[in-house]
Amino acid sequence: QSVLTQPPSVSAAPRQRVTISCSGSSSNIGDNPVNWYQQFPGKAPKLLVYSDDLLPSGVSDRFSGSKSDTSASLAISGLQSEDEADYYCAAWDDRLNGVVFGGGTKLTVL
Amino acid sequence: QVTLKESGPALVKPTETLTLTCHFSGFSLTTSGMRMNWIRQPPGKALEWLARIDWDDDIFYSTSLKTRLTISKDTSKNQVVLTMTNMDPVDTATYYCARMRGDIFFDSWGQGILVTVSP
Repeated sequence: QSVLTQPPSVSAAPRQRVTISCSGSSSNIGDNPVNWYQQFPGKAPKLLVYSDDLLPSGVSDRFSGSKSDTSASLAISGLQSEDEADYYCAAWDDRLNGVVFGGGTKLTVL
Repeated sequence: QVTLKESGPALVKPTETLTLTCHFSGFSLTTSGMRMNWIRQPPGKALEWLARIDWDDDIFYSTSLKTRLTISKDTSKNQVVLTMTNMDPVDTATYYCARMRGDIFFDSWGQGILVTVSP
């Protein structure tokens, strides 16, 4: 049971927009920045969004992050087949004094 | 260019102690703000954070595993070591080391090492 809650899967057609939610609490998302990671099968995760809504260099601006209170969202616009991957949210938890991850969301591009 | 690479045994027996080493290059763990972490991922499951060590020797452990974990660093060798005692088959996972920056995000990851716990 992950501390942060994500939907197990989402799907959408190419060129559509999809959002992935991440729900937490006051000790993690409510008080600390949220980061998102993209992971392809058999590969290490890659930083996708950091500090709630910032994109690392090289990440497409089709990806965007947002946060409100104890929830965060990752949006992907103009879906492409290569976006099919697992997506994880993460944040520092002040009560646990460690990083907590979501359970991951598998994105399928129909 | 920042690189990280994990090394260690691919197979350990139950009750044994696992020792993993992360060798990194392209930065120094003596630099203010640098932090190194271990994260694992059982096959088909989610990521799980294990431990963190900072440039100033601060250390943090997963509350659920802290009695079994030890993280240490050798800045002269650019290495971070994780030991996990009393290994069990449920500890079978890919273990990653990752650099942590700024607002507590992992900006660089190793390729991971699959560790299987089996008699």
